[in-house]
Amino acid sequence: DAGITQSPRHKVTETGTPVTLRCHQTENHRYMYWYRQDPGHGLRLIHYSYGVKDTDKGEVSDGYSVSRSKTEDFLLTLESATSSQTSVYFCAISERPQGETQYFGPGTRLLVL
Amino acid sequence: QQQVKQSPQSLIVQKGGISIINCAYENTAFDYFPWYQQFPGKGPALLIAIRPDVSEKKEGRFTISFNKSAKQFSLHIMDSQPGDSATYFCAASLLTGGYQKVTFGIGTKLQVIP
Repeated sequence: DAGITQSPRHKVTETGTPVTLRCHQTENHRYMYWYRQDPGHGLRLIHYSYGVKDTDKGEVSDGYSVSRSKTEDFLLTLESATSSQTSVYFCAISERPQGETQYFGPGTRLLVL
Repeated sequence: QQQVKQSPQSLIVQKGGISIINCAYENTAFDYFPWYQQFPGKGPALLIAIRPDVSEKKEGRFTISFNKSAKQFSLHIMDSQPGDSATYFCAASLLTGGYQKVTFGIGTKLQVIP
């Protein structure tokens, strides 16, 4: 998985609680992305980062926030988890912004009860 | 609005047969078309990719055919093997707002039976 780790790999939480997912890379790639994967929807971008402390919203960003204080770490926070946020979350990285392969981490399976 | 339409959603092929997955896109600004392969419990991994100035790209048993005028592209897996059983995603990307916006199809679950 191209030097990308995600933690935790599995999590069960209750509605209304905050949850933080971590993505860690050892490739020193500038661009990092958070996606969610749901049946019938493929992968959808939540947030992305184009450098330390530089982040922006993707297409499904409501209810999520991100932070990137170091090149290697990109955190995704569900501010108050809802059942609709039950999903598999993938982190991805790329070296350049255009026409480049994105390398995906192993994913985090999140269940919100 | 689904900008990349992928079909079929599931596919069963006999070992040695040809697997074909089709995708269609709407936005002519897309400039990079990757295919990703995903095994259960794993993240997607790039399989093969093409740019719109090329009509076909072949890597081993995997071929992308690209029809720019029809805004369609397809993945062909020749001599399909049980180890090819996985979910395949087509995607289309463009540079927008300083990042690579990648739009994925909904995926095709391929099963290759012996």
